[in-house]
Amino acid sequence: NAGVTQTPKFQVLKTGQSMTLQCAQDMNHEYMSWYRQDPGMGLRLIHYSVGAGITDQGEVPNGYNVSRSTTEDFPLRLLSAAPSQTSVYFCASRSYNSPLHFGNGTRLTVT
Amino acid sequence: GNSVTQMEGPVTLSEEAFLTINCTYTATGYPSLFWYVQYPGEGLQLLLKATKADDKGSNKGFEATYRKETTSFHLEKGSVQVSDSAVYFCALSDLGFGNEKLTFGTGTRLTIIP
Repeated sequence: NAGVTQTPKFQVLKTGQSMTLQCAQDMNHEYMSWYRQDPGMGLRLIHYSVGAGITDQGEVPNGYNVSRSTTEDFPLRLLSAAPSQTSVYFCASRSYNSPLHFGNGTRLTVT
Repeated sequence: GNSVTQMEGPVTLSEEAFLTINCTYTATGYPSLFWYVQYPGEGLQLLLKATKADDKGSNKGFEATYRKETTSFHLEKGSVQVSDSAVYFCALSDLGFGNEKLTFGTGTRLTIIP
């Protein structure tokens, strides 16, 4: 029973590099979302998806892209990393009218 | 817009002490309210929820009551344990329970010493 799996756990990037944070869930949840967690700011919604093929922007979408080609996967892409994107990233999923299930997070540092 | 204000941390208590972590909110309409807990190295887990005024959410000895008149949802526990050491987040959703557009507070780090 894996739940929500995020990879990698840690990543260091140089400014301008690109990378993809992976998120997979095995609970057949329709909804998936990405949050970033910053000190003193709680969690902020980046992008979310209500089903395969459908994505929408959250509170802080700039600098991030997402796609949802399958129900299970919801990758987050940073096309040109910036130091302001240094954060801990959480993926979460849920089925209708149920609480969010969070992954264990990816700690990203951009130098 | 929506906002959640919770007690600044860190909070350090002795085992078996009484815990209160304050949370107040600003929202349009009638939001659902939540407390999430984050243990070291893990993602957030739902601790308890309340979906309407005067509801009391409870779980693992923790309680919180939805107070519409004071726009508050304070978290309480009568006797804390070392295993309760974690970061606690208050959150709201004004689109009903289950909506992923949650607004989170900044989190309160709780440390319990034996």
